[in-house]
Amino acid sequence: QVQLVESGGGVVQPGRSLRLSCAASGFRFSGYGMHWVRQAPGKGLEWVAVISPDGSKRYYEDSVRGRFTISRDNSKNTLYVQMNSLRLEDTAVYYCAKDPGDGSGSHIDYWGQGILVTVSS
Amino acid sequence: DTQMTQSPSSVSASVGDRVTIACRASHGIRSWLAWYQQKPGKAPKLLIYGASTLQSGVPLRFSGSASGTDFTLTISGLQPEDYATYYCQQGNSFPLTFGGGTKVEIK
Repeated sequence: QVQLVESGGGVVQPGRSLRLSCAASGFRFSGYGMHWVRQAPGKGLEWVAVISPDGSKRYYEDSVRGRFTISRDNSKNTLYVQMNSLRLEDTAVYYCAKDPGDGSGSHIDYWGQGILVTVSS
Repeated sequence: DTQMTQSPSSVSASVGDRVTIACRASHGIRSWLAWYQQKPGKAPKLLIYGASTLQSGVPLRFSGSASGTDFTLTISGLQPEDYATYYCQQGNSFPLTFGGGTKVEIK
């Protein structure tokens, strides 16, 4: 069965960096687009970024473009997001999520359990 | 960006009730609309995609429909395990965007 397990979260000061990882199993990782979606405490869902199966295409939400970088290592079945210049408003649970296709849109069919990132001084 | 407006923000219903949740897109999104269920402290779960296609394993009491830029999620015969927050999401263009959510509460 599909499993997505995030790691790397924690408390970080504003302006600092953090990298999240997502270990994928139960499906052919290199064949699917992958997303990051976040949810601030008590708030709704916000899409963050997507990457194509081969990593050649990436799209970002406006507020993170230029600060966050999504990447993947298909040899390790792992998805990443490098988060730089973190802001208080980046505080959220971050979900790793699988696309049913190549990540060109549509929807998300599987989600990880999420990991909390807290930006605080 | 395509804005997704969901209504109501919350609804109180009893077991066995029929519950309808609406979602309106600010631009045409064809049928690129998905619905998710989220329970407290858990990840969202896909219910419906393509506006009306039920994800494998999802009970038949869940259904989706579309009319232009208006979309509806219907739960026919609410069950205790259906108390949760529901989100719509458009997948027609980036950035993918979600509705604000509808919390289904026990009446």
